[in-house]
Amino acid sequence: EPEVTQTPSHQVTQMGQEVILRCVPISNHLYFYWYRQILGQKVEFLVSFYNNEISEKSEIFDDQFSVERPDGSNFTLKIRSTKLEDSAMYFCASCFGRSNQPQHFGDGTRLSIL
Amino acid sequence: QQQVKQSPQSLIVQKGGISIINCAYENTAFDYFPWYQQFPGKGPALLIAIRPDVSEKKEGRFTISFNKSAKQFSLHIMDSQPGDSATYFCAATVTGNQFYFGTGTSLTVIP
Repeated sequence: EPEVTQTPSHQVTQMGQEVILRCVPISNHLYFYWYRQILGQKVEFLVSFYNNEISEKSEIFDDQFSVERPDGSNFTLKIRSTKLEDSAMYFCASCFGRSNQPQHFGDGTRLSIL
Repeated sequence: QQQVKQSPQSLIVQKGGISIINCAYENTAFDYFPWYQQFPGKGPALLIAIRPDVSEKKEGRFTISFNKSAKQFSLHIMDSQPGDSATYFCAATVTGNQFYFGTGTSLTVIP
């Protein structure tokens, strides 16, 4: 079964540094998402992306965050200047269409800010 | 504002018993209600989902019951097994938009 793959599985970064989290969505999917999950808490929506532009974003997704689909397969989340509170699991998800299609999640990247 | 409220926070069930997790939502525009299962160190995996035009959906040992008038839906796991021990998240969405997740239920099935 096709999977959403995320790299790296664990990223350790100094506070203030830039970090890029990478995702390869399922190949025929058209809608892409980033979520985060702070340890022990619920999964929170960050941003959705369709047709090479952001379609929806949450208040968490401030100017420090950006997303990009640099080629036909990768979908990246960049945090420009990391803060301690950015430490979390970051999940990428994708789905084929808008009509009640399930979102398929990757296994996440654990981001640790020191 | 919490769009989806989930209970209980944790649940311990004997092997062979029924596990029941409940969710309530506010936004009547929600039209898709999935349940996700998450094991430690893994991403959420879709378990079963329902649309509001159906009151119940069953897939194997997993059943979703949906009460549109009460704005509630629940997951029933029949004949619970130790391998079902995981965290379960309900979610709700307006078609194609972000998923609003519940706070999760940690299920432990005791052998």
